[in-house]
Amino acid sequence: DTGVSQDPRHKITKRGQNVTFRCDPISEHNRLYWYRQTLGQGPEFLTYFQNEAQLEKSRLLSDRFSAERPKGSFSTLEIQRTEQGDSAMYLCASTWDRENIQYFGAGTRLSVL
Amino acid sequence: AQSVTQLDSHVSVSEGTPVLLRCNYSSSYSPSLFWYVQHPNKGLQLLLKYTSAATLVKGINGFEAEFKKSETSFHLTKPSAHMSDAAEYFCVVTPWNQGGKLIFGQGTELSVKP
Repeated sequence: DTGVSQDPRHKITKRGQNVTFRCDPISEHNRLYWYRQTLGQGPEFLTYFQNEAQLEKSRLLSDRFSAERPKGSFSTLEIQRTEQGDSAMYLCASTWDRENIQYFGAGTRLSVL
Repeated sequence: AQSVTQLDSHVSVSEGTPVLLRCNYSSSYSPSLFWYVQHPNKGLQLLLKYTSAATLVKGINGFEAEFKKSETSFHLTKPSAHMSDAAEYFCVVTPWNQGGKLIFGQGTELSVKP
């Protein structure tokens, strides 16, 4: 257990529905990252926060995706109008910016039917 | 742009024999390089990290990696494989001055036969 928690672990939804995932980082970490991992591939960067500020978003993050980190603590990733192509493992990681060793949660596996 | 290429998608070894997982990187700057391991249904775990202090980096569980600038390689090795080493291994680079995001290779699945 790395200390990074993700909820839920699994989510099954129908196409067109909205879903929201939560990540609770290690408490003293000021940076939080989201990645997406599809079957047989390495994780791909989606976005990251320094405290509550979202500093970068990948082009993979379409306008159906939104992420927040209110008060620089936990973060949520919302996907609106889900599509089958959104099916993947969504990973959260946190770090202290002077260390840059990212600690990963176990992920949320999304299946869009 | 910085990237990593893992040269083998799957490696199979017998228990007790050496492990070699190959990774080449592309970087305009002196990179930070990592190896992460992913066991089924578990989160990614850091094995080791290179940040230019020493070319031979020792990690957890007996793994080590050698940074070779002339070959742009960062291969992962272990002298003797254990059954518990069976997992997916990722070579990772972090671009300089880009907020610390990680760029992952495609992964190498390691199988260990009894």
